[in-house]
Amino acid sequence: DSGVTQTPKHLITATGQRVTLRCSPRSGDLSVYWYQQSLDQGLQFLIQYYNGEERAKGNILERFSAQQFPDLHSELNLSSLELGDSALYFCASSTSGGPTGELFFGEGSRLTVL
Amino acid sequence: TQLLEQSPQFLSIQEGENLTVYCNSSSVFSSLQWYRQEPGEGPVLLVTVVTGGEVKKLKRLTFQFGDARKDSSLHITAAQTGDTGLYLCAVRYGGSQGNLIFGKGTKLSVKP
Repeated sequence: DSGVTQTPKHLITATGQRVTLRCSPRSGDLSVYWYQQSLDQGLQFLIQYYNGEERAKGNILERFSAQQFPDLHSELNLSSLELGDSALYFCASSTSGGPTGELFFGEGSRLTVL
Repeated sequence: TQLLEQSPQFLSIQEGENLTVYCNSSSVFSSLQWYRQEPGEGPVLLVTVVTGGEVKKLKRLTFQFGDARKDSSLHITAAQTGDTGLYLCAVRYGGSQGNLIFGKGTKLSVKP
């Protein structure tokens, strides 16, 4: 158990819909990262928050947005969903973003868009 | 173009065999991490290497960071079925506070 909690574990929805994925980081971790994992692209970095502020953006689509709340939990919002958005979405947390900092991953949210 | 190229993509071996997987790049990194991901779970850190030429051992797993800090290898001795999983290498991109970028991984299957 990494201490990172993600909900829901599975989600099936239709094209055009909007979903929200939730992440609770490990106690004391200030940084939250979101990754998308698909078979062809591997684990792709989407966005990072540190203590409520956006720190870095990766390959995140404009249809996707995220935020980190004062209690440090984070939400990833995916809208106008397309078939290609079907993937595993992982949240990870770390104490800091240092060069050797370890990321602790949740079990992921599997999104299926039909 | 991928920052990190991992090879092979897939590897299927029998229990007891040895294997090596590779992580290569044309860029130089201050450190490199290896993670293992089992089906239905998130990646878990195995090791961090920070010095060129460094070798770290974790039971039957031996990790090496290239002298030029551009590549790394993971060698497993006498593989067991419990070693089955996706092995991912990762580096910080954009400085020490940069994001952790992953290779696509090597999917290892160890058969009894």
